[in-house]
Amino acid sequence: QSALTQPASVSGSPGQSITISCTGTSSDIGFYNYVSWYQQHPGKAPKVVIYDVSDRPSGVSHRFSGSKSGNTASLTISGLQAEDEADYYCSSWTASSLWVFGGGTKLTV
Amino acid sequence: QVQLVESGGGLVKPGGSLRLSCAASGFRFSDFYMNWIRQAPGKGPEWISYISTGGDIMYYADSVRGRFTISRDNARNSLYLQMNSLRAEDTAIYYCARAYNWFDPWGQGTLVTVSS
Repeated sequence: QSALTQPASVSGSPGQSITISCTGTSSDIGFYNYVSWYQQHPGKAPKVVIYDVSDRPSGVSHRFSGSKSGNTASLTISGLQAEDEADYYCSSWTASSLWVFGGGTKLTV
Repeated sequence: QVQLVESGGGLVKPGGSLRLSCAASGFRFSDFYMNWIRQAPGKGPEWISYISTGGDIMYYADSVRGRFTISRDNARNSLYLQMNSLRAEDTAIYYCARAYNWFDPWGQGTLVTVSS
């Protein structure tokens, strides 16, 4: 199962908005609405920030939002803050009854 | 609160074996599918295995199938990963994670290093 494709890095200034893309295939992102996004700070375990494409867990800032179009999912962070600087990973369920992750995007604020 | 704590990592020679454990607390362990996910140094996470609530359904990534075995003990609220025929490319932090259609929470991870 091939990894999902993410840009290696994105950057933005405080207060701006950024979007991270995650491209898969018709056998994963394009078929299932089971896309999730994870934030990982250095030395820490990943933490979910978006699940089921666009749902936000309780306790996660409303500045985080998710969407999907075709085989590509997107994570948007608005009103960037210094604490948002981290690595971000997408994940999707696949038709092989397996999970697949993206390679990760380093966000610099 | 919901907590997952992994243990059992360490340094092992290529071809060796290791058994990881994950102790769960703060939720009804027997109600949830559970996963093992690993992350090699400087890389993204790689899902490697999940197990059903009753332990009768297991799935594995191609990279570990035939070498790793996932199991659980609902009476002890514990998840396990038996790793055999270890290779250098198995070097990673190994996390356990509770399953919905996403992973939440993740444990703090345990480091496995395969080196001679």
